[in-house]
Amino acid sequence: GAGVSQSPSNKVTEKGKDVELRCDPISGHTALYWYRQRLGQGLEFLIYFQGNSAPDKSGLPSDRFSAERTGESVSTLTIQRTQQEDSAVYLCASSRPGVYEQYFGPGTRLTVT
Amino acid sequence: EDQVTQSPEALRLQEGESSSLNCSYTVSGLRGLFWYRQDPGKGPEFLFTLYSAGEEKEKERLKATLTKKESFLHITAPKPEDSATYLCAVQADNTGKLIFGQGTTLQVKP
Repeated sequence: GAGVSQSPSNKVTEKGKDVELRCDPISGHTALYWYRQRLGQGLEFLIYFQGNSAPDKSGLPSDRFSAERTGESVSTLTIQRTQQEDSAVYLCASSRPGVYEQYFGPGTRLTVT
Repeated sequence: EDQVTQSPEALRLQEGESSSLNCSYTVSGLRGLFWYRQDPGKGPEFLFTLYSAGEEKEKERLKATLTKKESFLHITAPKPEDSATYLCAVQADNTGKLIFGQGTTLQVKP
């Protein structure tokens, strides 16, 4: 079946612009997660959705970052007034009810110039 | 603080030369420990979940084991196609997030 999909695959933006990153989870997966992977570093947790509520937003690095999810479907991660330190690969993952393993999408590579 | 440390950072093996990757962790109540494989430019690919000390899981040339403080990923007779970065992550009780280590980059030469 189809895996987690993310768009765009690459995004180059100028410092100060806003960007939106999209994630389509696997059908039937109720939980959705966003992570960030900076060059040469490990994955950092950003935010977790169960359905369309976000019980854990503890990883969002600043109030420039926000995310929303429509039902148990698409999620959008928005970064306002992008900074160069926001350059990274943004990864989305989803999981089924009652199952803990998370399945990742291919990521969106964000470059802020 | 929940933490994951992987060693070594990088490992070079000859084809057929077996070895092990280490993942040490501290977590307040382990729900699960996860191993992923990540190829360059791609998202992590799920390999194994381990839930309790003493548990073992196998898949082809890979075998994952778990103790109360660490996990090992054993690679038996590796092939060049096993070259990738291997990520270890833990999930604590009552949380959804995974806490990842920095990864071990494995290169297998023919």
